[in-house]
Amino acid sequence: EDQVTQSPEALRLQEGESSSLNCSYTVSGLRGLFWYRQDPGKGPEFLFTLYSAGEEKEKERLKATLTKKESFLHITAPKPEDSATYLCAVQAEGGSEKLVFGKGMKLTVNP
Amino acid sequence: DSGVTQTPKHLITATGQRVTLRCSPRSGDLSVYWYQQSLDQGLQFLIQYYNGEERAKGNILERFSAQQFPDLHSELNLSSLELGDSALYFCASSQTGFGETQYFGPGTRLLVL
Repeated sequence: EDQVTQSPEALRLQEGESSSLNCSYTVSGLRGLFWYRQDPGKGPEFLFTLYSAGEEKEKERLKATLTKKESFLHITAPKPEDSATYLCAVQAEGGSEKLVFGKGMKLTVNP
Repeated sequence: DSGVTQTPKHLITATGQRVTLRCSPRSGDLSVYWYQQSLDQGLQFLIQYYNGEERAKGNILERFSAQQFPDLHSELNLSSLELGDSALYFCASSQTGFGETQYFGPGTRLLVL
């Protein structure tokens, strides 16, 4: 069964304090790994898609990387507006196009 | 704004009742997905439609059903509601599906009393 585990479950940072979020996954074959940001009571907002090990993508203060077993979301010099829940999801090869999500990581950035 | 719309935003109903949630995908997207998000389970895939046809089923209860209409909007019907059905229900869409990004709507918050 495809599984996604995110750690830590919650993280508090001071503004400007860089850190990384981890997403470990187990799939029969990876079609794609997706990062989303979710604010309370809102729908997940797309951040990145990664398809193969070694791939990296960046957007403002965020950088996502992928290996064969995990993905990292690096946050550089975060600001309070980066506070949100970050979700990792995988889509497996063959059959369903469903996304399998981790339980998310709640990030709080204090000013 | 993802371009995916969902109505209603909030729904409060009683146990045993039936409700219908509506989703309009982004312009040009043929695939629609429904997900349920509860506090303890996280986001769980329910069902996918592609161009009017059911393509994949996840952990969808028999009391739940969905359809996609010729104009590509989709409806999720929840019947014989139980307290445990209280959750956020999200619709997502993509152009076709395989390996593509799924864009999520704002969700419908369902509260069953």
